[in-house]
Amino acid sequence: KQEVTQIPAALSVPEGENLVLNCSFTDSAIYNLQWFRQDPGKGLTSLLLIQSSQREQTSGRLNASLDKSSGRSTLYIAASQPGDSATYLCAVNGNNRLAFGKGNQVVVIP
Amino acid sequence: NAGVTQTPKFQVLKTGQSMTLQCAQDMNHEYMSWYRQDPGMGLRLIHYSVGAGITDQGEVPNGYNVSRSTTEDFPLRLLSAAPSQTSVYFCACSYSREIYTFGSGTRLTVV
Repeated sequence: KQEVTQIPAALSVPEGENLVLNCSFTDSAIYNLQWFRQDPGKGLTSLLLIQSSQREQTSGRLNASLDKSSGRSTLYIAASQPGDSATYLCAVNGNNRLAFGKGNQVVVIP
Repeated sequence: NAGVTQTPKFQVLKTGQSMTLQCAQDMNHEYMSWYRQDPGMGLRLIHYSVGAGITDQGEVPNGYNVSRSTTEDFPLRLLSAAPSQTSVYFCACSYSREIYTFGSGTRLTVV
């Protein structure tokens, strides 16, 4: 069974700092990995999809890296803004299912 | 283009009642799935379908039934609601296991 861990569970940073969110998984036989954002009481919004053959994927201020052999992915958010405050979820895709971590709850302080 | 539509958004049930959570997508994606989200547990897969007429169990299927008669719809049935089924339920779809699109969720309380 795929186990996904996200560290840290919660963090607060001042506006303008870079955010680094970590995700680790136990089974390296994955199809792809997806990062989501979830605002309180809302659904999940897809941020980045990184294929198992890729090392990284970028979209604007967001960059996700993937090291499949070591079972790790990192989401970098540059120059954080208060609007980045949310929970970020890592989901590993394999065997017709997404396995989720419990999330990184982020607060960006103005 | 609505994406993934879930109804109802909120529901309160009494223990033992049955109900159906609706999920509809207009993206013609073959893969659909249901997750539940509980505090401290993350999202867990209940059931999924890789196409019309095909369904399979996920991680926590007990107490739930699904069917997939069309590509667009994937309803989740609670047979006899229990307080342990109090949760937020999300439906998702994807094309060929690529980007998953989630609905806005159904918040269910069983009393």
